[in-house]
Order: sequence, then C-alpha cells, then structure tokens
Amino acid sequence: AQTVTQSQPEMSVQEAETVTLSCTYDTSENNYYLFWYKQPPSRQMILVIRQEAYKQQNATENRFSVNFQKAAKSFSLKISDSQLGDTAMYFCAFMKIWNTDKLIFGTGTRLQVFP
Amino acid sequence: DSGVTQTPKHLITATGQRVTLRCSPRSGDLSVYWYQQSLDQGLQFLIQYYNGEERAKGNILERFSAQQFPDLHSELNLSSLELGDSALYFCASSVDVDSLKEKLFFGSGTQLSVL
Repeated sequence: AQTVTQSQPEMSVQEAETVTLSCTYDTSENNYYLFWYKQPPSRQMILVIRQEAYKQQNATENRFSVNFQKAAKSFSLKISDSQLGDTAMYFCAFMKIWNTDKLIFGTGTRLQVFP
Repeated sequence: DSGVTQTPKHLITATGQRVTLRCSPRSGDLSVYWYQQSLDQGLQFLIQYYNGEERAKGNILERFSAQQFPDLHSELNLSSLELGDSALYFCASSVDVDSLKEKLFFGSGTQLSVL
C-alpha cells in the first residue's frame, strides 16, 4: 500500500524568504502522480503543483517548485519569495496513474508566513 | 473559485440523526469524489461516482451512502451519526477518469459537527 509522510507538522518563514516543505512516499509503482495541495483558512483545497513520475524535470509554477527525487521517493516543495497569502496547510498527495480514486494524502504541514 | 459547489457550508446535528450533503460539480465534469477530513484520520477518500455510476469505494462506513443524479450533482447521506463523524467533508470533481491529464477540483467543504 502507498503511504505519504510529511514529517514537519509546522513551519514558519518570513515574508520574501524561501521555505522548503518535505514529503516522502512509499510505493512499488513506477508510474504515478505527486501533488501539493494548499488549504488556506477558507478550507478550500487548491492544487499548487503536480509532478508526473515519468518526467525527470522538476515541475515549476511561478514561485512554487518541487525537488522530485524518484529513487529516494522524495517530493519537496519550495516556495520562493514567500507571501502572507501563502499561509496555509500544505498537503502532499500521491496518485497511481489510471487510478484517481487512490489519491492518498499526507498529514499536512502548517505554514505560517510572518511579515 | 474551483467551480465545485457544496451545501451547506456548516451543519450541526445530534447523534443518531441523518444528514445529506450536496455537491454540484464543475460544469462538464462527469466524476464526483467524496473525501472526509478529520483531525485523527486526515484526508480520506470515501467514494467516487462517474456519470451516475459508482466507480470506486474507499473507507466509507456502511452508515454512509452516496449517489449521483442525472444532472450529475451528488449527495452524501450520513445516518445514525456518531460523535466521531464530525469532520470536514469535501467533494471534488474531474472531467473523466483514467485520464493522464486528470485534475481534481475541490469544493469548499461541509463542516459537520455532531453533538
């Protein structure tokens, strides 16, 4: 069975600085997706970034980028130029390709951005 | 705004009662998913419907049931409620299943409090 582990329950960063959130996962699959979702105080789950396991290039979305290490089963999220609006819970998630019902979430990291 | 609408936003009820949560997917999305987010269990997949048919089941209790109607909206029915059912219930939708471009769009959730 697949598992997703986020070992940092809480993180904080000063505005304009860079922060990295960690995520590791365990799977025997070779093809899968990895995601980072953001859940702000509004509670909505917002997709931040997605990585296909068959792609070697790390995904980037504006200030958000990932460091995908397939062999190490590691998928960290880097937020550059942190903004107050980045304050939220961040969830790492795993999904087997062709199996959208198997979206497995980590326990989340609460990120606080300070002015 | 993800385009997925969930009602009600908040629901307070007593143990033993029955409630219905409603979800309207994004226009054009055929697949609806229900997730439960609780403090002790984290985010867990409950059930998925595709174009009116049940597609996949996750950790859904027998006291819970769901359906997707011809207009593609979905309802999650929770009966014989217990204190432990208190949670945030998310609905998500996507265009179809088994797509390499699969993306899930989440609603804002229904916060259920069982007293």
